[in-house]
Amino acid sequence: NAGVTQTPKFRVLKTGQSMTLLCAQDMNHEYMYWYRQDPGMGLRLIHYSVGEGTTAKGEVPDGYNVSRLKKQNFLLGLESAAPSQTSVYFCASSLTVSNQPQHFGDGTRLSIL
Amino acid sequence: RKEVEQDPGPFNVPEGATVAFNCTYSNSASQSFFWYRQDCRKEPKLLMSVYSSGNEDGRFTAQLNRASQYISLLIRDSKLSDSATYLCVVSGGNNRLAFGKGNQVVVIP
Repeated sequence: NAGVTQTPKFRVLKTGQSMTLLCAQDMNHEYMYWYRQDPGMGLRLIHYSVGEGTTAKGEVPDGYNVSRLKKQNFLLGLESAAPSQTSVYFCASSLTVSNQPQHFGDGTRLSIL
Repeated sequence: RKEVEQDPGPFNVPEGATVAFNCTYSNSASQSFFWYRQDCRKEPKLLMSVYSSGNEDGRFTAQLNRASQYISLLIRDSKLSDSATYLCVVSGGNNRLAFGKGNQVVVIP
């Protein structure tokens, strides 16, 4: 049972570089989410999707873009990485109704130098 | 006022003792409530949903108080393996859940 899989698990980037984080779920969930977690800040929603082909902004969307071309995949892109984007990124998914519990991937630890 | 507020602690509890903590929420229209557990440097995992009538899962008991807008979690007979951060999660607007910063529990041998 894979559940929610995130790749990569770790990455170090230089300021200005770009990269894409991949989230894949095999539970046929409609809703998918990207969060970042920083010490003392808790989980903060970056972007989310309510279905294939849709995306919406969360509370901290600046500097990130997302795409949901396939139902099972949700990609998070950093076009020009900044040190402030150093964080742990979690992807999550849930069933059709948004207030169902979310299932999380095991995170991507990203450092921007 | 923050959507979900939790006292970060830490809550130091002797092994075998009981620990309880609350979480307050601001959106009176919230319909769904959860407790998640997060271990250090790991992903959050669903511990239990919280129902209006309250519910129990083994040593864990969750309660909801809509009038005062808080939910609670009680852990009985604490085990060393219960050491973790417990996140309060409440349904918010705009198709999303609101996460608290968590209550850190440290079970002491």
